[in-house]
Amino acid sequence: DAKTTQPNSMESNEEEPVHLPCNHSTISGTDYIHWYRQLPSQGPEYVIHGLTSNVNNRMASLAIAEDRKSSTLILHRATLRDAAVYYCIQTHTGANSKLTFGKGITLSVRP
Amino acid sequence: DAGVTQSPTHLIKTRGQQVTLRCSPISGHKSVSWYQQVLGQGPQFIFQYYEKEERGRGNFPDRFSARQFPNYSSELNVNALLLGDSALYLCASSSASVQETQYFGPGTRLLVL
Repeated sequence: DAKTTQPNSMESNEEEPVHLPCNHSTISGTDYIHWYRQLPSQGPEYVIHGLTSNVNNRMASLAIAEDRKSSTLILHRATLRDAAVYYCIQTHTGANSKLTFGKGITLSVRP
Repeated sequence: DAGVTQSPTHLIKTRGQQVTLRCSPISGHKSVSWYQQVLGQGPQFIFQYYEKEERGRGNFPDRFSARQFPNYSSELNVNALLLGDSALYLCASSSASVQETQYFGPGTRLLVL
């Protein structure tokens, strides 16, 4: 199973940018990096994904290292609603593709 | 458009019983996956179905089974319940493979006493 490593937790202040790191040293050429987050008492929700280039959407930005062995999820201005567990997931292409979740990183946002 | 729906929301069973959990995917989505999330852990993959065929199976015992119906809804069955089966069971749908965005339901919380 593809495995990523993330810190256990991180704290941020409201209105400040947050950088959530992820290591995926076993990534292969066709593997994507997905980020999902799980708010308390909810199912996970998609945040962003990418292959090689940096990606932006309305929720966040994803910066992928040139060697693709690490990536960083960037929340440009953290809000209290961003407090959640963030999962970095490496996905394989193939018929038996699945999301392999680790423990994720718990983001706390201080008012 | 309605999101992924799951029923029931909560369930209490006793050891040895059997349980059936239900999932309705987003309209137009043909792939459904099931995950088990134990407290304090990330979700663990159980099954993926696409077009009514099993496409993937996680490391779960044969007590766990699932199926997908012609309307793409799905059921997860767990037989001979153990205390360790207590968890949040999540269903996710996507239009095709897991490379597509997965949309998760709110889950069914199962407590086995």
